[in-house]
Amino acid sequence: QQQVKQSPQSLIVQKGGISIINCAYENTAFDYFPWYQQFPGKGPALLIAIRPDVSEKKEGRFTISFNKSAKQFSLHIMDSQPGDSATYFCAASINTDKLIFGTGTRLQVFP
Amino acid sequence: GAVVSQHPSRVICKSGTSVKIECRSLDFQATTMFWYRQFPKQSLMLMATSNEGSKATYEQGVEKDKFLINHASLTLSTLTVTSAHPEDSSFYICSAGQATNEKLFFGSGTQLSVL
Repeated sequence: QQQVKQSPQSLIVQKGGISIINCAYENTAFDYFPWYQQFPGKGPALLIAIRPDVSEKKEGRFTISFNKSAKQFSLHIMDSQPGDSATYFCAASINTDKLIFGTGTRLQVFP
Repeated sequence: GAVVSQHPSRVICKSGTSVKIECRSLDFQATTMFWYRQFPKQSLMLMATSNEGSKATYEQGVEKDKFLINHASLTLSTLTVTSAHPEDSSFYICSAGQATNEKLFFGSGTQLSVL
């Protein structure tokens, strides 16, 4: 019940395209859903996060879509750029409790 | 955003020696710090949670006598890998937080290689 399932494992997108990464969870007590971006040899950096009281949150080219009934949330990267090539992790937590991370998606954006 | 400094970024040591990794919150007081371990192309695995002034809480399967965590102040936590062996080679990452997880920030990680 503590798992967060993430897909796909890897994703190749052409420059200018839309990258979509999906996550699913079981624990309905989760109330915080962040997405992290990690470059090789670096720690993760918070990209965008959402709480279950809204269905969508947009920050620049990054959008989180949240479906509470389906217990799913996704990250959309619009107008994907080569600089977006990185590994993306979804996560979930209950309040200030530990984050449960997804398995990660390696995104490659080709020019 | 807030900055979490982790040092060293890379360390190579001989088998049997101990290695200390520092995690500092530079511009805020961190009530909680987390330590993670990450193998190549894998997700972050939480090792332990530490709160200032109290003993760390270790995740199941993590040897507390091997991975010593000290959270001596609101801005500093250290992870010491004792008697390191090649299987301890990994990427170690700390994170520091305040009242909510929206204020959780990660260090840049430490690549430990044990020869």
